[in-house]
Amino acid sequence: GAVVSQHPSRVICKSGTSVKIECRSLDFQATTMFWYRQFPKQSLMLMATSNEGSKATYEQGVEKDKFLINHASLTLSTLTVTSAHPEDSSFYICSAQLGQGLLEQFFGPGTRLTVL
Amino acid sequence: KQEVTQIPAALSVPEGENLVLNCSFTDSAIYNLQWFRQDPGKGLTSLLLIQSSQREQTSGRLNASLDKSSGRSTLYIAASQPGDSATYLCAAYNNAGNMLTFGGGTRLMVKP
Repeated sequence: GAVVSQHPSRVICKSGTSVKIECRSLDFQATTMFWYRQFPKQSLMLMATSNEGSKATYEQGVEKDKFLINHASLTLSTLTVTSAHPEDSSFYICSAQLGQGLLEQFFGPGTRLTVL
Repeated sequence: KQEVTQIPAALSVPEGENLVLNCSFTDSAIYNLQWFRQDPGKGLTSLLLIQSSQREQTSGRLNASLDKSSGRSTLYIAASQPGDSATYLCAAYNNAGNMLTFGGGTRLMVKP
């Protein structure tokens, strides 16, 4: 099956620093990649949708200048949390989607971000 | 805007019981519906994906049904085991297939 990786799996940083999370589709080319955020004991909330070579589309309430998304190739998307604060601490999960067929999203294992 | 609701939010059963998890969605114009499992602190494991034209899908002890007209899906787990303890998430794809909306999840505990 389709495999999506994320790096790093866990990151702890100081308030005010920036953190980059990578999402890679390992065995397929993803037309679209998605970024989700999950707070403790809550479900996944879509943050943004990105297509290769295009600007990301952000969901309402998600600051595009704070959460920078780059989708430079069909197998790699990055999420950069700029000037991170403790309230940004969360579980960030990406998914990748083929542009045809079932349109199933394949999920990465997630990145646990803790901002001190 | 699509809303997905899962009932119950939490469920505790003794080992061996058959159980049903419920999922409802407000917009019946969906492309697919998918059930996931999430263990604490981990990512998502896909269990079953049902296309909008299908009524059910089966994998081992799991059976998922879909009734688009009523906006409902169920996940049936047969002969539950302690290893089934996890949070189960239901998610609906919009009609274009480019957005996935998750329910709040059902936290399942299967006691030995």
